[in-house]
Amino acid sequence: GAVVSQHPSRVICKSGTSVKIECRSLDFQATTMFWYRQFPKQSLMLMATSNEGSKATYEQGVEKDKFLINHASLTLSTLTVTSAHPEDSSFYICSAPGAGEGSPLHFGNGTRLTVT
Amino acid sequence: GEDVEQSLFLSVREGDSSVINCTYTDSSSTYLYWYKQEPGAGLQLLTYIFSNMDMKQDQRLTVLLNKKDKHLSLRIADTQTGDSAIYFCAESYGSGNTGKLIFGQGTTLQVKP
Repeated sequence: GAVVSQHPSRVICKSGTSVKIECRSLDFQATTMFWYRQFPKQSLMLMATSNEGSKATYEQGVEKDKFLINHASLTLSTLTVTSAHPEDSSFYICSAPGAGEGSPLHFGNGTRLTVT
Repeated sequence: GEDVEQSLFLSVREGDSSVINCTYTDSSSTYLYWYKQEPGAGLQLLTYIFSNMDMKQDQRLTVLLNKKDKHLSLRIADTQTGDSAIYFCAESYGSGNTGKLIFGQGTTLQVKP
């Protein structure tokens, strides 16, 4: 079945540095990928839609300059958290829709970001 | 705006059935999903249902959809300790399949041996 690989699974960084998270569709092509953020014991909130060949679409309230998204190819999207602060610490999960109408989203295993 | 609500916690004994409930607001949602999340992990798709269906069964899982009441439920038969996890209900944004989902808060299922 469709598999989405996300890397790294955990990252600790210092305030002010930038962190890149990769999301790959392993056995299918994804012209669109979605980045979600999950706070502890809370639901997932959609941050942005990554579009291959064009700019990402950000949800209301998400800072474009802080969360840079690049959809480099049909199988790779990256999320870069720039100038990270402790409040950016969270669980970030990427997803991609499978092929066909109604095909559900397939999620990566997530990245636990801790900013010290 | 669109909203998805779930009860936060459910505790059952091993072997019993578990029923996790969910209500949603967007009547134009075409697809509704159930995902499972184990601690520190990503989301695993359990099942999904098209909005014109009332029921879908997949082995131990039964999904019931009451579109009139905008109520979705997930029944897990013969619940096992390995079923302990957080279960998320999600609806698709509007009609069609945009791939964007709105998630409920998640129901923590605790299975006691």
